[in-house]
Amino acid sequence: SQQGEEDPQALSIQEGENATMNCSYKTSINNLQWYRQNSGRGLVHLILIRSNEREKHSGRLRVTLDTSKKSSSLLITASRAADTASYFCATDEAPTPLVFGKGTRLSVIA
Amino acid sequence: EPEVTQTPSHQVTQMGQEVILRCVPISNHLYFYWYRQILGQKVEFLVSFYNNEISEKSEIFDDQFSVERPDGSNFTLKIRSTKLEDSAMYFCASSGPYEQYFGPGTRLTVT
Repeated sequence: SQQGEEDPQALSIQEGENATMNCSYKTSINNLQWYRQNSGRGLVHLILIRSNEREKHSGRLRVTLDTSKKSSSLLITASRAADTASYFCATDEAPTPLVFGKGTRLSVIA
Repeated sequence: EPEVTQTPSHQVTQMGQEVILRCVPISNHLYFYWYRQILGQKVEFLVSFYNNEISEKSEIFDDQFSVERPDGSNFTLKIRSTKLEDSAMYFCASSGPYEQYFGPGTRLTVT
């Protein structure tokens, strides 16, 4: 298992602004996944990017991956209050267990 | 869209009691997992299960824990004698070859 670490730890923005969160990891990966967790709730799978991909889009989400720097970023465009949550990256793919970092707590203020 | 379900959503138990947490994975998935998250801390891996046996487990998954797939649809986590420090959210997940999909969790409170 390989660990992702997110930064910043906390991010507060106004509704309508873009939010960027970063993830770093230590060793080679097959893929990287981003998850969202609303307070006290389950983990929602957002997007998976493979090691041979550099960028992937899903709605208002854009994920980039730089394997040379062992880093990934998650961009949420035109943020909404409902985007308020913690965001986690995790590396590896099934059946290897995922290892989560502490996450980035995003607060979107209406 | 298929989803992982978990019951109960909240379980309160007394220290020393046995609890069973239940999960119904996505039907065509082959790999199953339990994770836990102590309040304010990281999500931690407990155990993975494939082909009716444990494929990997963490140090947290000691002899007090066991998993079972009793009937081909349910996947259960049993804690034999709960401790105060077992209080946490417990998440079940299942996967095919790629993404892991998580259930909504069971909040276990040990008093």
